[in-house]
Amino acid sequence: GESVGLHLPTLSVQEGDNSIINCAYSNSASDYFIWYKQESGKGPQFIIDIRSNMDKRQGQRVTVLLNKTVKHLSLQIAATQPGDSAVYFCAEDLYNFNKFYFGSGTKLNVKP
Amino acid sequence: GAVVSQHPSRVICKSGTSVKIECRSLDFQATTMFWYRQFPKQSLMLMATSNEGSKATYEQGVEKDKFLINHASLTLSTLTVTSAHPEDSSFYICSARVGEQGYGYTFGSGTRLTVV
Repeated sequence: GESVGLHLPTLSVQEGDNSIINCAYSNSASDYFIWYKQESGKGPQFIIDIRSNMDKRQGQRVTVLLNKTVKHLSLQIAATQPGDSAVYFCAEDLYNFNKFYFGSGTKLNVKP
Repeated sequence: GAVVSQHPSRVICKSGTSVKIECRSLDFQATTMFWYRQFPKQSLMLMATSNEGSKATYEQGVEKDKFLINHASLTLSTLTVTSAHPEDSSFYICSARVGEQGYGYTFGSGTRLTVV
């Protein structure tokens, strides 16, 4: 399944499917981006990051893609599991001051 | 891995009182910490940047006299909500940068403040 950010803040996928969560960022000069996962009532948990000199970075079951031309980030989760259910935020280092501004988030529901 | 410990996790206070929230880096030194607030079903909003040994820098629209930040050591930053009112009820989260190159940030577990 695939989200389109603000137009689809909730993404529901079947367990085992791949998930794609999208995020648009605001500043073409932003240098560093992070994806976070937040479970209900808890603080954000770091998933993966990427610098602007890269267009792709892979982690364990996750891949972040960066398209600087259209200021777009995506998070791909392979073989989505029920434990992946959470709200996912992208964050950009807006002024390269090493402080982050968060997008509005996408809620991922994984159906068993 | 780098851990940030935030306390308390939940606090209920009466309107007009002050509440202090602590954020500690447990196994690393954090010269810079960040404080966020989050309303239900909304994103995190950066409130201020806490700098060890100097004054905090606040984001536009955040009242510095309302939200007092102290970063007296390399492992502790505190946020005090002064003269709290019900509209200050929120989820407050701190974070710290891990390492010098800006790679990796870790968050505390958050504090749920309810002002009654």
